[in-house]
Amino acid sequence: KAGVTQTPRYLIKTRGQQVTLSCSPISGHRSVSWYQQTPGQGLQFLFEYFSETQRNKGNFPGRFSGRQFSNSRSEMNVSTLELGDSALYLCASSPGAGGYGYTFGSGTRLTVV
Amino acid sequence: KQEVTQIPAALSVPEGENLVLNCSFTDSAIYNLQWFRQDPGKGLTSLLLIQSSQREQTSGRLNASLDKSSGRSTLYIAASQPGDSATYLCAVNTGNQFYFGTGTSLTVIP
Repeated sequence: KAGVTQTPRYLIKTRGQQVTLSCSPISGHRSVSWYQQTPGQGLQFLFEYFSETQRNKGNFPGRFSGRQFSNSRSEMNVSTLELGDSALYLCASSPGAGGYGYTFGSGTRLTVV
Repeated sequence: KQEVTQIPAALSVPEGENLVLNCSFTDSAIYNLQWFRQDPGKGLTSLLLIQSSQREQTSGRLNASLDKSSGRSTLYIAASQPGDSATYLCAVNTGNQFYFGTGTSLTVIP
């Protein structure tokens, strides 16, 4: 059974650009959550999508957005990149929303220069 | 807001030792608690998931316990091996999101 797939694995972008990250959940999983991991802040929740609807959102500016498609694949977009957006972006899938455990992907390492 | 604390931040032990990692959380209204392992630069690997109604879960050399009323969980690793070296993260699920601790960095010395 395939795991959670995140693409690309690495990205280098210039300040001011925008970027789109992709996450394909485990087959049958309908919930996808996104997290940002930095050395200083640890793992912080960005948002969760369930059945194509944003279910919850963390405390990030509006430059961070996402969406989920009918096949449960999710994309995350960051516009007007800042140096502080450099981080490991992790996506996790679960069978449903709420009280389930997570399976994480390997992450996308974003470097903003 | 849920806050999750992990102690110690770093731990170094000789191979073969048994060890305990600690996790505490401030709000006992949780659905479950999950322990993860993270290798440098990699994603998170799930180790154990404990539902709020459970007291412990075991997988191989790993045993995790949960005391919801006191806001504590422990991860016990038996007979540690160099391959266990990694960062261990505990995460508490409130139903809306997981709140993560900052992790314990474990080094097992051969």
